[in-house]
Amino acid sequence: EPEVTQTPSHQVTQMGQEVILRCVPISNHLYFYWYRQILGQKVEFLVSFYNNEISEKSEIFDDQFSVERPDGSNFTLKIRSTKLEDSAMYFCASKEGRSSYNSPLHFGNGTRLTVT
Amino acid sequence: GDSVTQMEGPVTLSEEAFLTINCTYTATGYPSLFWYVQYPGEGLQLLLKATKADDKGSNKGFEATYRKETTSFHLEKGSVQVSDSAVYFCALTKYNFNKFYFGSGTKLNVKP
Repeated sequence: EPEVTQTPSHQVTQMGQEVILRCVPISNHLYFYWYRQILGQKVEFLVSFYNNEISEKSEIFDDQFSVERPDGSNFTLKIRSTKLEDSAMYFCASKEGRSSYNSPLHFGNGTRLTVT
Repeated sequence: GDSVTQMEGPVTLSEEAFLTINCTYTATGYPSLFWYVQYPGEGLQLLLKATKADDKGSNKGFEATYRKETTSFHLEKGSVQVSDSAVYFCALTKYNFNKFYFGSGTKLNVKP
């Protein structure tokens, strides 16, 4: 069964450094997402991406965050200058096209980001 | 705004016990409702879904019924197994809604 893959599984970085989290969504999916989960808290929506542009973003997704789909397969989340409070599990997800609005999200296994 | 509230965990049960994990939602319009499961070290996987009132989603012995009158989507299983130990997330989305809202997750521990 096709799956969403994320790399790395664990990233440790120092405060103020830039990090790039990488994802390969399912190949025929059209919607791409980043979510995050701070330990013990809700799974929070960060951003959605469709047709090579951001379609929606949350208040969390400020100017420090950016997303890219640099080629036909990868989908990346960049944090320009990490803060301690960015430490969380980051999940990439993808979904089929817009016509099936209630088709489920398919998640990767997540990248645990630790900012020291 | 739209949101999902789940019962706090952890929930600890013995094998073959009956499971209920409560989920209630707040949403305008007609959301679709989902349960996702996260096994240790893995991502979230769809467990079941229901797209309209009175629908029952079911999978792997788990069931949940979409109750509009009580805005609930409680997860149930008649006889849990040790392998069901995981974190369970309730979620919703709506037509023209470009995201899913998730609850905070409920950890289930099943003891032999």
